[in-house]
Amino acid sequence: GQQVMQIPQYQHVQEGEDFTTYCNSSTTLSNIQWYKQRPGGHPVFLIQLVKSGEVKKQKRLTFQFGEAKKNSSLHITATQTTDVGTYFCAGPGAGNMLTFGGGTRLMVKP
Amino acid sequence: GAGVSQTPSNKVTEKGKYVELRCDPISGHTALYWYRQSLGQGPEFLIYFQGTGAADDSGLPNDRFFAVRPEGSVSTLKIQRTERGDSAVYLCASSPRGSDGANVLTFGAGSRLTVL
Repeated sequence: GQQVMQIPQYQHVQEGEDFTTYCNSSTTLSNIQWYKQRPGGHPVFLIQLVKSGEVKKQKRLTFQFGEAKKNSSLHITATQTTDVGTYFCAGPGAGNMLTFGGGTRLMVKP
Repeated sequence: GAGVSQTPSNKVTEKGKYVELRCDPISGHTALYWYRQSLGQGPEFLIYFQGTGAADDSGLPNDRFFAVRPEGSVSTLKIQRTERGDSAVYLCASSPRGSDGANVLTFGAGSRLTVL
């Protein structure tokens, strides 16, 4: 079945440093979604990418969908302590469910 | 309601017992999903409802797990003969529709199940 993998699993950064997480799917995706889960919280939708090569920005966050629509990345510029949490990518699997990656846990040292 | 509501927020039970977890989705959302999340892992799909019917139950791990959504709104996830390995956070999510796999999910806060 479809697999969605994310690297790295964990990332410690100093506040102000940049951060990037990478997502790879074993199959071509029609779209990819990103969610953020704060410690002790639940996943919250951030963004959806649909087009090959698409790039979207939300303030300091930049999301990219690969040309082959099998990979994606999330880049955060100048991290802040409010960025702490686990970032998940998710792609449509067979049927109508979303398959989530294992997530990248971001820790920011003030 | 304004968001996805899940009850109970915490459930501690003994091995072998039966548990029910309830999910009240956003009003008007026809698609409802159950996921399970173990510590340090991503959400794992269990079952998806479109309206009242289980459109995809391929993620249910075995026949001890069952879910219903009799009136197309509230859903109940039922676990029989619980095992310690069932301990996890059970997340419910809803979306406006589920026909094209491009739906944004709104998650509830989850029900943390601990099986002793």
